[in-house]
Amino acid sequence: AQSVSQHNHHVILSEAASLELGCNYSYGGTVNLFWYVQYPGQHLQLLLKYFSGDPLVKGIKGFEAEFIKSKFSFNLRKPSVQWSDTAEYFCAVNGFNAGNNRKLIWGLGTSLAVNP
Amino acid sequence: NAGVTQTPKFRVLKTGQSMTLLCAQDMNHEYMYWYRQDPGMGLRLIHYSVGEGTTAKGEVPDGYNVSRLKKQNFLLGLESAAPSQTSVYFCASSPYSGGAETQYFGPGTRLLVL
Repeated sequence: AQSVSQHNHHVILSEAASLELGCNYSYGGTVNLFWYVQYPGQHLQLLLKYFSGDPLVKGIKGFEAEFIKSKFSFNLRKPSVQWSDTAEYFCAVNGFNAGNNRKLIWGLGTSLAVNP
Repeated sequence: NAGVTQTPKFRVLKTGQSMTLLCAQDMNHEYMYWYRQDPGMGLRLIHYSVGEGTTAKGEVPDGYNVSRLKKQNFLLGLESAAPSQTSVYFCASSPYSGGAETQYFGPGTRLLVL
């Protein structure tokens, strides 16, 4: 069965620190990969996604993620975080099976707190 | 363009009561989803729909029913609420575009079952 693992459940950083959130998935076929963000009290919104081409994708607010197929990873990075990045971050994978499944498989999320 | 809207925003139920959560989208999306979000458990898919008139079970369908009579609406029903159904419920929709579809989420419904 497909699964998504986010290694860090809670991360606390100071402003200007660099961020890397890990995401690994288990699926051997073609995948589309997503990072969603949920700011406090708000609904989830797309941060960035990968479906083909350049494995380094850039998203909103200075975030980027790199797809490393050999490592089944899609880690999220930001060189310098801000207090406003405090949020919950979810990694998700859409893997294709014989039924052309369009369901996303979600990680459990990483809660990021940025101290001013 | 309102995107995805959910009604109600907050509800308190007593055990055994029933209710329906309404999700509406104005983006003409084919796919719609109902998730529940619980602390430490991330998002779990309850039911989903790949088009008007269709529904399918997700990871945690027990205790819930859904209907998609109109393309723009996806209803989630709780026939007999239980305290274990206390959660935040999110509806989402996505277009059909070959697999890399972004899901667009509603603002959520907070449900407390006493």
